[in-house]
Amino acid sequence: EAGVAQSPRYKIIEKRQSVAFWCNPISGHATLYWYQQILGQGPKLLIQFQNNGVVDDSQLPKDRFSAERLKGVDSTLKIQPAKLEDSAVYLCASSLVGSFTSSYNEQFFGPGTRLTVL
Amino acid sequence: AQKITQTQPGMFVQEKEAVTLDCTYDTSDQSYGLFWYKQPSSGEMIFLIYQGSYDEQNATEGRYSLNFQKARKSANLVISASQLGDSAMYFCAMREATNFGNEKLTFGTGTRLTIIP
Repeated sequence: EAGVAQSPRYKIIEKRQSVAFWCNPISGHATLYWYQQILGQGPKLLIQFQNNGVVDDSQLPKDRFSAERLKGVDSTLKIQPAKLEDSAVYLCASSLVGSFTSSYNEQFFGPGTRLTVL
Repeated sequence: AQKITQTQPGMFVQEKEAVTLDCTYDTSDQSYGLFWYKQPSSGEMIFLIYQGSYDEQNATEGRYSLNFQKARKSANLVISASQLGDSAMYFCAMREATNFGNEKLTFGTGTRLTIIP
């Protein structure tokens, strides 16, 4: 079974430029997550999709970050304009379901995109 | 207050020894769960083990076991017979239900484990 795919793996941009990341989740997974992992910290959830609808974007800086999941499969995360503090690894994850149930719901992570903003 | 606290930024352990990675958590929910993930230098988060708040027995997965002490709100990871390939960052994470009924993971800051030959 193919895992979560992300591209690009690395990106270097100047501040105030824009950048986009792509994620292809595991086939059949309804829920997709984008996390931001700043160096020395654990991943922080930015946005959660259930199919093509947003479930939770409470920690997404909406003045500069946007995300979409067209047709409930692939997703793109965009930053415009980028700031120095956006330098981080952006992780995409997917799971079968996103609702909280009695049994655990494993999230499968992609390799991440390492963004450096100069 | 931090929801997940990992107090060991780094640890060095001799190969074949056992190691315990500490994790404490904070929640007022009755239903929750604790995960441990491994993140090697390649960057991918690898699921290791899970413990639900209602599970009466400590979880085990091969060389990994979770020492769950609910009253103390701790969920320490124990790795037996450590191997060189265990060198990585280890993250503790807690799953909770949000107000909208979806599941949310909150991660700690991680512990960098280095296995010495």
